[in-house]
Amino acid sequence: GNSVTQMEGPVTLSEEAFLTINCTYTATGYPSLFWYVQYPGEGLQLLLKATKADDKGSNKGFEATYRKETTSFHLEKGSVQVSDSAVYFCALSDWGSNYKLTFGKGTLLTVNP
Amino acid sequence: DAMVIQNPRYQVTQFGKPVTLSCSQTLNHNVMYWYQQKSSQAPKLLFHYYDKDFNNEADTPDNFQSRRPNTSFCFLDIRSPGLGDAAMYLCATSRDADTQYFGPGTRLTVL
Repeated sequence: GNSVTQMEGPVTLSEEAFLTINCTYTATGYPSLFWYVQYPGEGLQLLLKATKADDKGSNKGFEATYRKETTSFHLEKGSVQVSDSAVYFCALSDWGSNYKLTFGKGTLLTVNP
Repeated sequence: DAMVIQNPRYQVTQFGKPVTLSCSQTLNHNVMYWYQQKSSQAPKLLFHYYDKDFNNEADTPDNFQSRRPNTSFCFLDIRSPGLGDAAMYLCATSRDADTQYFGPGTRLTVL
């Protein structure tokens, strides 16, 4: 079956630091990959996505590249801000899961001023 | 802006007292999902509607039911809430198997 493994937190950084949150996956077919962000007390917001190998998703300074050879979709940002403090979920969907989302466990990021 | 709306944002109910959570969407998506999310966990899919077809997850308790009267609205009914049902309930929508978009969630407290 499908699975997503992401770096467990919590991750604590200072403002303007570089961020990497690792995500690897196992999937039956050729999945679409997603990063969702959840701010405290809120629902999930789509941060970025990629639908095929070597695609790069980007949004709000965050980037992730779909690497089929390493089955990875690591999230990066060059300079984090206090407002980036949230929980980040890596997820996938493909025909093997009937296109239901398979989530990682989430990574709590705290950015200090 | 097109969006997914959940009401209420916060709901308090008593042990065993039925409660209904609502979700509406202006995205005109044909698939609507209900998730349960407990503290520090990933969302867990309860069920989804693909158009009018209801699809229940195998491990969703019978205590949870859903209704979709039209394309725009979907309801989650909890027939007899227990303390273990306190959680954030998230509604999401998608166009077929495409990207899912989530609402802001309803935080349910059971006293």
